Amino acid sequence: AQKVTQAQTEISVVEKEDVTLDCVYETRDTTYYLFWYKQPPSGELVFLIRRNSFDEQNEISGRYSWNFQKSTSSFNFTITASQVVDSAVYFCALSEALDGYQKVTFGTGTKLQVIP
Amino acid sequence: GAVVSQHPSRVICKSGTSVKIECRSLDFQATTMFWYRQFPKQSLMLMATSNEGSKATYEQGVEKDKFLINHASLTLSTLTVTSAHPEDSSFYICSAPGLAGGNYNEQFFGPGTRLTVL
Repeated sequence: AQKVTQAQTEISVVEKEDVTLDCVYETRDTTYYLFWYKQPPSGELVFLIRRNSFDEQNEISGRYSWNFQKSTSSFNFTITASQVVDSAVYFCALSEALDGYQKVTFGTGTKLQVIP
Repeated sequence: GAVVSQHPSRVICKSGTSVKIECRSLDFQATTMFWYRQFPKQSLMLMATSNEGSKATYEQGVEKDKFLINHASLTLSTLTVTSAHPEDSSFYICSAPGLAGGNYNEQFFGPGTRLTVL
């Protein structure tokens, strides 16, 4: 069975601070995908990134960056120079193959509050 | 990217009534769709996998007779909450896998339906 752990339930930072959201996963699959989603108060999930298990390259997209470490089964997400608009719940997720399609397991989420 | 819609976005009903939620893939076909439920301040929990032309697969603990799923076409799956009760009040989200990077490894999520049962 697969599992995703986001140990940080809530984080508060002051605007312009950097913040890292932790994600640790468990899976027996050798091929899997990891995701990060943002869920603002409106509820709609916003896709941020997908990473496959064979690609350990870190990625940067604007103020967002991701650190994938297979050795520690972690996929951490860093927001640089945080802004109030970054306030949301962030979910890390893991997908496994299911008859050719991906079944997604979500972590419990980290609520980020950026204080102006 | 591909778009998944849900209807209605919000519904309020009386206890004991049934509510139908639609999930549509607008610009792609989806033989499989997933239904999630999210209680306030909690994570998304997979309820069931909807399969076009065959029975849905339910996760452990989800009542098949209470949450009826019909995947009538390649672009439409419906979730009917039968005899809804206040404890069924939740945010229901559907998703459909789509092509990304040559594999069906991208999940496209609908905007969600907020159900409130009085």
